[in-house]
Amino acid sequence: NAGVTQTPKFRVLKTGQSMTLLCAQDMNHEYMYWYRQDPGMGLRLIHYSVGEGTTAKGEVPDGYNVSRLKKQNFLLGLESAAPSQTSVYFCASSYSTTGVDEQYFGPGTRLTVT
Amino acid sequence: AQRVTQPEKLLSVFKGAPVELKCNYSYSGSPELFWYVQYSRQRLQLLLRHISRESIKGFTADLNKGETSFHLKKPFAQEEDSAMYYCALLTGANNLFFGTGTRLTVIP
Repeated sequence: NAGVTQTPKFRVLKTGQSMTLLCAQDMNHEYMYWYRQDPGMGLRLIHYSVGEGTTAKGEVPDGYNVSRLKKQNFLLGLESAAPSQTSVYFCASSYSTTGVDEQYFGPGTRLTVT
Repeated sequence: AQRVTQPEKLLSVFKGAPVELKCNYSYSGSPELFWYVQYSRQRLQLLLRHISRESIKGFTADLNKGETSFHLKKPFAQEEDSAMYYCALLTGANNLFFGTGTRLTVIP
């Protein structure tokens, strides 16, 4: 099992450019999440999904869109990147619908917007 | 609104000394709390959760609802415990709300 994988690992964008971050999990998990981690701020939830075809907003959703067309994939899109979106992005997944189960994290994507 | 506070950004202890990483929370519902850890060059992973009342790698954490705390403790720190530790609160809709983290360094 690869667990949770993220593509790409690094990316540099110019302001206004768009991109999509891909998260994939091979554990048949129902729940998937996107977080961003900024210095001194811990991880903050951007969007999450409780199952294929469903998405919901987290704590900091503005400027991002997501899609969960397949159970194993969760895509995070930036339509028009801004320097404030420079961050490390983490994807996670969890199995149980009770939410108490462990979240499994990907290795992260470091995004820089110039 | 929920809040998770980890007052220490950095914590250094000597090998063999006791260690306590503090976590306080604010939440109107029934709290479910976790400790996650990130070792150097590894991904974030679950260390322990309060409902399991377990000891993992010698670490324990007790939920104190009166003091709204979930401090992480280990009686004898080891060098391999050096890592970034995050306290997290499970909120409605099965979301985790993370503290800002404490970087623990165990000095040989």
